[in-house]
Amino acid sequence: KQEVTQIPAALSVPEGENLVLNCSFTDSAIYNLQWFRQDPGKGLTSLLLIQSSQREQTSGRLNASLDKSSGRSTLYIAASQPGDSATYLCAVRGGGATNKLIFGTGTLLAVQP
Amino acid sequence: GAGVSQSPSNKVTEKGKDVELRCDPISGHTALYWYRQSLGQGLEFLIYFQGNSAPDKSGLPSDRFSAERTGGSVSTLTIQRTQQEDSAVYLCASSAQPETQYFGPGTRLLVL
Repeated sequence: KQEVTQIPAALSVPEGENLVLNCSFTDSAIYNLQWFRQDPGKGLTSLLLIQSSQREQTSGRLNASLDKSSGRSTLYIAASQPGDSATYLCAVRGGGATNKLIFGTGTLLAVQP
Repeated sequence: GAGVSQSPSNKVTEKGKDVELRCDPISGHTALYWYRQSLGQGLEFLIYFQGNSAPDKSGLPSDRFSAERTGGSVSTLTIQRTQQEDSAVYLCASSAQPETQYFGPGTRLLVL
């Protein structure tokens, strides 16, 4: 059974700092991995999607990497801003016919001005 | 350019009542998913539709939960005889198979 874990559970950093969020999964047979952010009381916003054949994806100040064989992904946020404060979730889509996402436990990020 | 919409945004009900939650996916998205987010369990998959068929219902927690999709578009999640442990945020997502899933704002259900 696929299990997805995120470390740390919570993180507080001063504005401007670069930071890394970690995601690990137990079954390397994934189709893709997706990073989301969730603001309080809101739905999920997709940030980046990495296919299993890819090693990284970049969007603006965000860079996500994937090491499928070791079951790890990282989300790198450069020059953090208070507006980056949110919960960040990673989710893996398994191989085969199922399209469901298995979500991690989330990292609550607070960027202090 | 509308995204995924869900209604109602909030629902308070009494234990034992039935509730219906609605999801309008992004136009043209053939895949639709229901997830549940609760304090104790995190975010968990409930059911997946491809068109009007549900090839994966493995996440439905009990036979009190059911869902349907009509016309390859709107979906309704029904919870019968609600229990307090059903209190959660119910999220719907859609995708242009099989890529990025786009999520709605969710329905916050509170069972008293």
